[in-house]
Amino acid sequence: GQQVMQIPQYQHVQEGEDFTTYCNSSTTLSNIQWYKQRPGGHPVFLIQLVKSGEVKKQKRLTFQFGEAKKNSSLHITATQTTDVGTYFCAGKPSNTGKLIFGQGTTLQVKP
Amino acid sequence: ETGVTQTPRHLVMGMTNKKSLKCEQHLGHNAMYWYKQSAKKPLELMFVYSLEERVENNSVPSRFSPECPNSSHLFLHLHTLQPEDSALYLCASSQEQSYEQYFGPGTRLTVT
Repeated sequence: GQQVMQIPQYQHVQEGEDFTTYCNSSTTLSNIQWYKQRPGGHPVFLIQLVKSGEVKKQKRLTFQFGEAKKNSSLHITATQTTDVGTYFCAGKPSNTGKLIFGQGTTLQVKP
Repeated sequence: ETGVTQTPRHLVMGMTNKKSLKCEQHLGHNAMYWYKQSAKKPLELMFVYSLEERVENNSVPSRFSPECPNSSHLFLHLHTLQPEDSALYLCASSQEQSYEQYFGPGTRLTVT
């Protein structure tokens, strides 16, 4: 079946270091979304990417959508303790109306 | 506050009990979802409703029964649950399917 894979599953970084999580789909996506879930909280929508090669920034967060629209990445520059949480990507395959969530990457930041 | 509320926030129930989870969205969205999130698994989509019609049922056991009486409300009726059903149950809504989803705070369910 159609899958959205996310790596790594866990990442521990020192505060100030950069962090990247990668999302890969087995099929072409019409869009990809990113969500953040703080510990004890619920997923919160961050951003949606639609165009091939698209890059969007939110302060220290940079989101990219691959040229083939099958992969995406989220990069955080100079992590802070407030970045702690699980980051999910969710992709919509081009041939369905269904949004498929990746397994998430859990980020821990050591002060 | 995302505009999606869930009650109760915490629920402890025995395996022979019957209970219901409630979700309400105040965003005017047309699609609503139930997800299960357990400690070792990612978000598992359970049910999708679009315009009050169930459009997806991801092989969920019959001990979970959804109900969508109108576009603002979604219920999950539970009975004869198993301990492995203990998890965080999240409700979400979106304008249309595949649009960004807004999640409620979840119901933390413990089956004893």
